[in-house]
Amino acid sequence: EIVLTQSPGTLSLSPGETATLSCRATQTISSSYLAWFQQKPGQAPRLLIYGASNRAPGIPDRFSGSGSGTDFTLTISRLEPEDFAVYYCQQFGGSSMYTFGQGTKLDIK
Amino acid sequence: EVQLVESGGGLVQPGRSLRLSCAASGFTFDEYSMHWVRQRPGAGLEWVSGLSWDTDDVAYADFVKGRFTISRDNAKKSLYLQMNSLGPEDTALYYCVKDQDSNSWYVSPFDLWGQGTMVTVSS
Repeated sequence: EIVLTQSPGTLSLSPGETATLSCRATQTISSSYLAWFQQKPGQAPRLLIYGASNRAPGIPDRFSGSGSGTDFTLTISRLEPEDFAVYYCQQFGGSSMYTFGQGTKLDIK
Repeated sequence: EVQLVESGGGLVQPGRSLRLSCAASGFTFDEYSMHWVRQRPGAGLEWVSGLSWDTDDVAYADFVKGRFTISRDNAKKSLYLQMNSLGPEDTALYYCVKDQDSNSWYVSPFDLWGQGTMVTVSS
């Protein structure tokens, strides 16, 4: 089973700063099958990034994804107040069906 | 409006059954594979089950195999999850989720989520 480990668990930053979130897999993942989601309290998750680096429709260019193999990164530049949320990475297309990381909570400092 | 609306959640005793429904609108339902994803209280996301657009492919997470059954009625634009032998560990918010890409299975991210229906298993 492919396990995704996200780090850090919590990230405390101020508006205007840059957030760097990590997602590490226990096995190599095709970049095509790595996605990132944002979830705000009381809301359903929202697709941010798919194919490791492609922004979903309507997602600001402050959000960017990168990585390959087992290491993937979500970068959020120029943090806005509405960006503070929980972020999940997800993999699919492999032998483990769909799995999510445990999430990174982005807090306002 | 493109949306998914879940229903059928509630309080159920351990060992009993529950059937969740998801009504889709605003897109061509029969072209998209659909899934159920759950979130236990205060926890992360867990994929539960998926069913391909043409019903040829179905998959379950190991923790629900043999207990849950996913199905769909394309004419009614609806997705279902029959949950049997429920236990306290199944207490969660259950989301209905749509694939981004049409006519695909297992190679598409999830691009549309409902607001979820809460299932509480307790005596």
